[in-house]
Amino acid sequence: DVKVTQSSRYLVKRTGEKVFLECVQDMDHENMFWYRQDPGLGLRLIYFSYDVKMKEKGDIPEGYSVSREKKERFSLILESASTNQTSMYLCASRAPGIHSGANVLTFGAGSRLTVL
Amino acid sequence: QQQVKQSPQSLIVQKGGISIINCAYENTAFDYFPWYQQFPGKGPALLIAIRPDVSEKKEGRFTISFNKSAKQFSLHIMDSQPGDSATYFCAASRSNYQLIWGAGTKLIIKP
Repeated sequence: DVKVTQSSRYLVKRTGEKVFLECVQDMDHENMFWYRQDPGLGLRLIYFSYDVKMKEKGDIPEGYSVSREKKERFSLILESASTNQTSMYLCASRAPGIHSGANVLTFGAGSRLTVL
Repeated sequence: QQQVKQSPQSLIVQKGGISIINCAYENTAFDYFPWYQQFPGKGPALLIAIRPDVSEKKEGRFTISFNKSAKQFSLHIMDSQPGDSATYFCAASRSNYQLIWGAGTKLIIKP
């Protein structure tokens, strides 16, 4: 069974701390994504990566950065956490291409971050 | 033009009833319309998807109805069960581009 694993399910951090959220997929997918989920706002794309060493800004990249040193791992970094970054963070991966199953995202279980 | 508007925000349905969630979009270039289902403590998972060359797609108790002229699509859950209680997201995209997500609907099925 294919999997996207987010190592931290719950984190509590203080304002100003540096936060790392790790995501690993075992499907050999080239595309990986970080979303933020807030009630009533749906899923908002923070950053995505089409391949190793590549990254693209999504809709809400401010205050975040990412790292993709290996194909299977995509990390989200909050350089200086703020209270408005308290949220559920979802990582997803996707197979590339234009075949019918290409735009199917496989999500991890999420990382709930609380910034005090 | 990039938005996908989803309604209602929350929905309570009696067991055995029909649950209906609606989405509307503006961008006529969208050609892929999936629905994702998310249970508490889990990430969203693809439930069913449709392309605009058909007006309806059915998988078990779940049906997508698609109205291209109205730029609307909806999810119908027949014979709703307590196990269907979850948050449902509609989305839309153009080919293999980024998905544009609706805001989500929290569905509760009362026993």
